[in-house]
Amino acid sequence: EVQLVESGGGLVQPGRSLRLSCAASGFTFDDYAMHWVRQAPGKGLEWVSGISWNSGSIGYADSVKGRFTISRDNAKNSLYLQMNSLRAEDTALYYCAKANGYSSSSTSVGYWGQGTLVTVSS
Amino acid sequence: QSVLTQPPSVSAAPGQKVTISCSGSSSNIGNDYVSWYQQLPGTAPKLLIYDNNKRPSGIPDRFSGSKSGTSATLGITGLQTGDEADYYCGTWDSSLSAWVFGGGTKLTVL
Repeated sequence: EVQLVESGGGLVQPGRSLRLSCAASGFTFDDYAMHWVRQAPGKGLEWVSGISWNSGSIGYADSVKGRFTISRDNAKNSLYLQMNSLRAEDTALYYCAKANGYSSSSTSVGYWGQGTLVTVSS
Repeated sequence: QSVLTQPPSVSAAPGQKVTISCSGSSSNIGNDYVSWYQQLPGTAPKLLIYDNNKRPSGIPDRFSGSKSGTSATLGITGLQTGDEADYYCGTWDSSLSAWVFGGGTKLTVL
């Protein structure tokens, strides 16, 4: 059974940093691209970042480019999102998602975690 | 404002059929496959349709997808109260180099 478990969310002040993690199990992690997708309270889905199976291709939404860094450790079956210079508008539920393909542009996502909530407020 | 355009809401009676449209451009829908996601209240999104019209295992054939040019459509037949949810279309945008979503459509089964 595929499982994606996010952690690392919480309340943080504007300008500070936070690192999200996603522990994956139930599939061959290094065969698939992975994404972070967020959802602000009461709003729609917004793609944040994606990474190919071997970290060779990485992409970011313009809203986070230069502030967030995605990475993965295939030996640990884990996905990460380092978030720096956080802003109030980054407040959202952050989902880890497994793509159906290996490319970072593979947007058919068959599995999602339950999300971890990030609140940016003073 | 979302790159892909969906109606904010649709409604229909139980047992009826509904369609949800998703409009884009040549750099997204016109250039790549479309997926559709269902998000029930308080839960994570769930893949309903991928590659324009394919259903993952376990998704009933009441759900269907199609694409023509720069638009895509999700169809749901035999509506049930359990289908009440938000529905999102998504695809890759080659100009933005980003995964883009529609703003979401809230389905109400009256």
